[in-house]
Amino acid sequence: NAGVTQTPKFRILKIGQSMTLQCTQDMNHNYMYWYRQDPGMGLKLIYYSVGAGITDKGEVPNGYNVSRSTTEDFPLRLELAAPSQTSVYFCASSRRTGTDTQYFGPGTRLTVL
Amino acid sequence: DAKTTQPTSMDCAEGRAANLPCNHSTISGNEYVYWYRQIHSQGPQYIIHGLKNNETNEMASLIITEDRKSSTLILPHATLRDTAVYYCIAENYNQGGKLIFGQGTELSVKP
Repeated sequence: NAGVTQTPKFRILKIGQSMTLQCTQDMNHNYMYWYRQDPGMGLKLIYYSVGAGITDKGEVPNGYNVSRSTTEDFPLRLELAAPSQTSVYFCASSRRTGTDTQYFGPGTRLTVL
Repeated sequence: DAKTTQPTSMDCAEGRAANLPCNHSTISGNEYVYWYRQIHSQGPQYIIHGLKNNETNEMASLIITEDRKSSTLILPHATLRDTAVYYCIAENYNQGGKLIFGQGTELSVKP
């Protein structure tokens, strides 16, 4: 049981490039989340999903897209990378909402130059 | 979601209890108080949560005041490995489980 895994661990992008951050969970959780964390700050929710085929925006969705075709996977897409997207990205999952805890992945550190 | 206020940083001696306060004066009746921690850029880790009653688990205790406007996370015997940023979050049970992270309290446990 690996929990929540994220790839890659690190990535450097040039302005205008695109990439997909991968997130997979093996706990059969319905809920999945993407957060970003800027230096010295708390996490901010980008997008979340309550099940396969259902996604919704969080606090800071601009510049990102997501899809949820399976229960296990929740990729985050950056289409036109900008320096403002330099951050650490965390994926999380939970069995359900409310009192269920969220399990976080190890993060992807992204730098846009 | 209710806004929470925490001290920016705290120190604690190894082996002593660490008491981390959190104010959530605008909390509503259906909002739980959650505590997570983040150790040196790792993904956040769940610690404990509660609604009205005090709670205890293998990691910590959570004391919530009767008016629910504040709470305290207690690590009974802090170790060096408890050095981390601790986040207090008030979350509405019915709003999709979205956690709103503030800046948290940076706890330094010193030998």
